[in-house]
Amino acid sequence: DTGVSQDPRHKITKRGQNVTFRCDPISEHNRLYWYRQTLGQGPEFLTYFQNEAQLEKSRLLSDRFSAERPKGSFSTLEIQRTEQGDSAMYLCASSSGQDSSYGYTFGSGTRLTVV
Amino acid sequence: AQTVTQSQPEMSVQEAETVTLSCTYDTSESDYYLFWYKQPPSRQMILVIRQEAYKQQNATENRFSVNFQKAAKSFSLKISDSQLGDAAMYFCAYRSLAPDKLIFGTGTRLQVFP
Repeated sequence: DTGVSQDPRHKITKRGQNVTFRCDPISEHNRLYWYRQTLGQGPEFLTYFQNEAQLEKSRLLSDRFSAERPKGSFSTLEIQRTEQGDSAMYLCASSSGQDSSYGYTFGSGTRLTVV
Repeated sequence: AQTVTQSQPEMSVQEAETVTLSCTYDTSESDYYLFWYKQPPSRQMILVIRQEAYKQQNATENRFSVNFQKAAKSFSLKISDSQLGDAAMYFCAYRSLAPDKLIFGTGTRLQVFP
């Protein structure tokens, strides 16, 4: 297992366009998380899944954002009608829900630039 | 709601010396976990060390150790024998269990000088 994979690594889009990011977690991890990190800040929680169920959504996740994990494996995060304020690093992480002491394993992130 | 505060935006240390990064948190929960993560420039977040709140013994991982003061809600990271490769952003994080999420501080940028 190569860890948590995110695709693409970088995305430049024009304001108003839709973008979709993909995350492949560690295969035996049943929990998957999305975070957003802006320059000079710590990651901010967006949402998380246990298997295919989306259990928690942050107020940061506006109606333009949607996340799915259809078969409890990979996940997608879609942003519709992108705005310049959406420019950030989007991080995906996974964990085994059985042992909370191990923290999360993070992917390398997708850096979104909205022009 | 839980919060995590890192009051040192930047720290610097000379190679082979020791440095301590500060972190305080606020919570009403009794059961939780605390972590320090390292984020090198343009690279992924890596777990450095973890601490279970119910354990009084401070965690240690090689050159990294923590000073966990539960009553004071303080969780500092000590890096001994600093190396050039330790240069990175360091984030303190609190893991709540219900709902399950990591809450991060704003980070401390550590510079290591030869």
